[in-house]
Amino acid sequence: DQQVKQNSPSLSVQEGRISILNCDYTNSMFDYFLWYKKYPAEGPTFLISISSIKDKNEDGRFTVFLNKSAKHLSLHIVPSQPGDSAVYFCAGSHDMRFGAGTRLTVKP
Amino acid sequence: GAVVSQHPSRVICKSGTSVKIECRSLDFQATTMFWYRQFPKQSLMLMATSNEGSKATYEQGVEKDKFLINHASLTLSTLTVTSAHPEDSSFYICSARGRGRLSSYEQYFGPGTRLTVT
Repeated sequence: DQQVKQNSPSLSVQEGRISILNCDYTNSMFDYFLWYKKYPAEGPTFLISISSIKDKNEDGRFTVFLNKSAKHLSLHIVPSQPGDSAVYFCAGSHDMRFGAGTRLTVKP
Repeated sequence: GAVVSQHPSRVICKSGTSVKIECRSLDFQATTMFWYRQFPKQSLMLMATSNEGSKATYEQGVEKDKFLINHASLTLSTLTVTSAHPEDSSFYICSARGRGRLSSYEQYFGPGTRLTVT
């Protein structure tokens, strides 16, 4: 049973602008949420995580926000760069089933 | 960071044959390994979870007799696609979770294996 969902299959933004990727979840027991980035023909790489006791975690251009009441998290990338173009997956701790992913395209 | 390798990176086989894909954790002990299959249009589907020394746990809809998973050691897991058919052609990715200094939540992914069945 899919416990994380990404409802936007794709997102296109202009270089320098903000990218916002969204993820909804159903399991309130997750301790952590994680975001992974994937380029074509490669395995995903870990990007950033957030503990369920926090509402924000920032790492350079990447910030993840957690809204527990809405069971929603979002990944903000600012400023977006063409190299950020990839598929982004969210996941909940202990559940290795990813959301469907969102393909981000950053246009120069 | 932790490194996971997969071998081979690409394989082409004839329909009806079996193919083995290896997944190795190079610098850590992987207590749990996961196998994924990437379908067209990006989604990653978890196929099975394997813990060292025990039988793999397969996701619903994944044929365990077709996709044989062995996790014989803390650094190696194998996926064997038996009697492969063209519809098994896909990109297979493994990942591993470690212990000790590594985060218990983070997965470390292999680079993937492209399987083409002709």
